[in-house]
Amino acid sequence: NAGVTQTPKFQVLKTGQSMTLQCAQDMNHNSMYWYRQDPGMGLRLIYYSASEGTTDKGEVPNGYNVSRLNKREFSLRLESAAPSQTSVYFCASRRQINTEAFFGQGTRLTVV
Amino acid sequence: QKEVEQNSGPLSVPEGAIASLNCTYSDRGSQSFFWYRQYSGKSPELIMSIYSNGDKEDGRFTAQLNKASQYVSLLIRDSQPSDSATYLCAVNQKNTGNQFYFGTGTSLTVIP
Repeated sequence: NAGVTQTPKFQVLKTGQSMTLQCAQDMNHNSMYWYRQDPGMGLRLIYYSASEGTTDKGEVPNGYNVSRLNKREFSLRLESAAPSQTSVYFCASRRQINTEAFFGQGTRLTVV
Repeated sequence: QKEVEQNSGPLSVPEGAIASLNCTYSDRGSQSFFWYRQYSGKSPELIMSIYSNGDKEDGRFTAQLNKASQYVSLLIRDSQPSDSATYLCAVNQKNTGNQFYFGTGTSLTVIP
């Protein structure tokens, strides 16, 4: 049982480049989330998808876009990367509201 | 005011002692509460969930919830060096629907 799978695990981008972070879950969960984690800042919610076909902004959505491709997959896109987007990105999913979330292994992104 | 607040620590306890971690939240209508453990360079993993006032025990871990005072705590009995990690509190707040907020985490070091 793979759980939540993120790709890639590491990425280095130049300022202005674009990229998409992929996330897939095989637990038939309804809700999916994207977080970023910076030192001393904890996990900050970027975007989430409560169910297939819906997406909503979290605390720090600027500079990002998301797509809930189907029930399994939720991608995060950086259209024009900036050094301030250097961070560790985590995808998470959960069955429904008020249940626990499960995390992917993270993507370490560096923008130079 | 942040939605979920934790003392960032660091907290140091000797091996065998009780470690006490605290978390406060802003929305009185919050319904579900979670504690995660995160080792350095790894993704968060669920330790416990709690939904009702009172204590919930699982092995060496006890979660305590007090909705009137809006805090949730985690006690770790007989602390081991392997418990050294960052502990994250997460709250599903009623006023934010399916959003899932985390505190900044408390760093715990268990000294052999």
